[in-house]
Amino acid sequence: DIQMTQSPSTLSASLGDRVSITCRASQNIHGWLAWFQQKPGKVPRLLIYAASTLENGVPSRFSGSGSGTEFTLTISGLQPDDIATYYCQQYTSNSPIFTFGQGTKLDIK
Amino acid sequence: QITLQESGPALVRPTQTLTLTCTFSGFSFTTETVAVGWVRQTPGKALEGLAVMFWNADRRYSPPFRDRVTITRDISSNQVFLTLTNVDSVDTGTYYCVYLDSSDYHVGRWGQGILVSVS
Repeated sequence: DIQMTQSPSTLSASLGDRVSITCRASQNIHGWLAWFQQKPGKVPRLLIYAASTLENGVPSRFSGSGSGTEFTLTISGLQPDDIATYYCQQYTSNSPIFTFGQGTKLDIK
Repeated sequence: QITLQESGPALVRPTQTLTLTCTFSGFSFTTETVAVGWVRQTPGKALEGLAVMFWNADRRYSPPFRDRVTITRDISSNQVFLTLTNVDSVDTGTYYCVYLDSSDYHVGRWGQGILVSVS
C-alpha cells in the first residue's frame, strides 16, 4: 500500500491569505495525484487531478504542484467558501488501489 | 451526464454480510477504459478505497480488505455490487460509488453516498 501523509492536519488562516497544504507519498507516484474538497455532510468535490490540472469549474485561486513524492495544494486568496476539509489521493497504477491522505481541516482564524 | 446512485440497507447486524448496489448512467462497461469503484468514509479512517472493477473484468482490492470485500457487476443493468463480509461496528460509515475518469483513472464522479450503520 502507498501511504499518503498530509500536513498540517488542521490549519487556521485569515480571509485573503495564501494557504498551502502538503501531501507526501510513501513512494514515487509520479504525477498521479488528485485533491478533493469536502464540506460537512457533502460529497467530496474534485479540485485538481494529475497533480496540477484544474477540474472544470474550479476557481483559479486553487492550484496544485509537485511530482514524485511531494505535492502541494495552494489557495491564493482564501475565501469564506473555502472552509472545508481537503484530501489528497494517489492513483498510480503501481498501487493495488487508490489511497487517500488523512485530510486537512481548514478554518478561519 | 454521468450519475451514480448507491442503494442498500441502512442497518446491518455485526457478523452479517453487507451488500451494496451502485446503479449508474452515462457510461457502460462495454466501453474500454471504464472503471467503477467503492470508497468509504468512516469516523476513524476518513476516506478509504475498497475495490475497483474495470471494463475488462479486472478487479483491484485494497489489501486490508482483500479477505472481506468482493466487487461484481451486471453489465446489462449498469450496476456494480460491493459485498463486505463479517461486518463490525468499525465498518459504520458512508459508502460511495465512484467513477474513475478514463483519461488517467482519477476519481471523476461520486455518488451521493449511503450511510450504513453496523449495530
